[in-house]
Amino acid sequence: QKEVEQDPGPLSVPEGAIVSLNCTYSNSAFQYFMWYRQYSRKGPELLMYTYSSGNKEDGRFTAQVDKSSKYISLFIRDSQPSDSATYLCAMTPTGGGNKLTFGTGTQLKVEL
Amino acid sequence: GAVVSQHPSWVICKSGTSVKIECRSLDFQATTMFWYRQFPKQSLMLMATSNEGSKATYEQGVEKDKFLINHASLTLSTLTVTSAHPEDSSFYICSATSSNQPQHFGDGTRLSIL
Repeated sequence: QKEVEQDPGPLSVPEGAIVSLNCTYSNSAFQYFMWYRQYSRKGPELLMYTYSSGNKEDGRFTAQVDKSSKYISLFIRDSQPSDSATYLCAMTPTGGGNKLTFGTGTQLKVEL
Repeated sequence: GAVVSQHPSWVICKSGTSVKIECRSLDFQATTMFWYRQFPKQSLMLMATSNEGSKATYEQGVEKDKFLINHASLTLSTLTVTSAHPEDSSFYICSATSSNQPQHFGDGTRLSIL
């Protein structure tokens, strides 16, 4: 069993839909959680960075962490075609210069 | 947000040559830089962790004599693929971090060995 599980998709939604992306993990030591967006042939771009459990909102994006269930989510409201990309969850026990454990990434396509 | 620049973005070279990829943190001092390799439709595979002024720590299965990493300053790390062969063709990505900050990634280098 992988430390971090993420549905690879592809996930296809109509423009304007609310998108829910999720990851589950098995290592209870993870404390810092990140969501990255990666366009084709580009490096990952940091979207959200959260510590421990709770919610964090930034514009159309909301990140949720439920440590009791070992489950994290990224919600995208009013999805746009420009949101079409691969979304990677990542996590680490401590911040800073520590290795990340990544999910496999979910490919999202937002259609007109 | 933090900016990490990676150069070149794409390189094609003949088998047997060495290729150097640069990774720069433009607006912060990166105490730690990471080098990843990514195959199509797969997640990132960590190759090595590099701390400024010390030797890189390589992941299991990564040949340190093949992939030379230098982190000479707080803003620059380089990855040199020595005597590159077609099987080294891949997408290489660096990231940089400091203190308790998350990793910020460069835009990657597409390496094609003929």
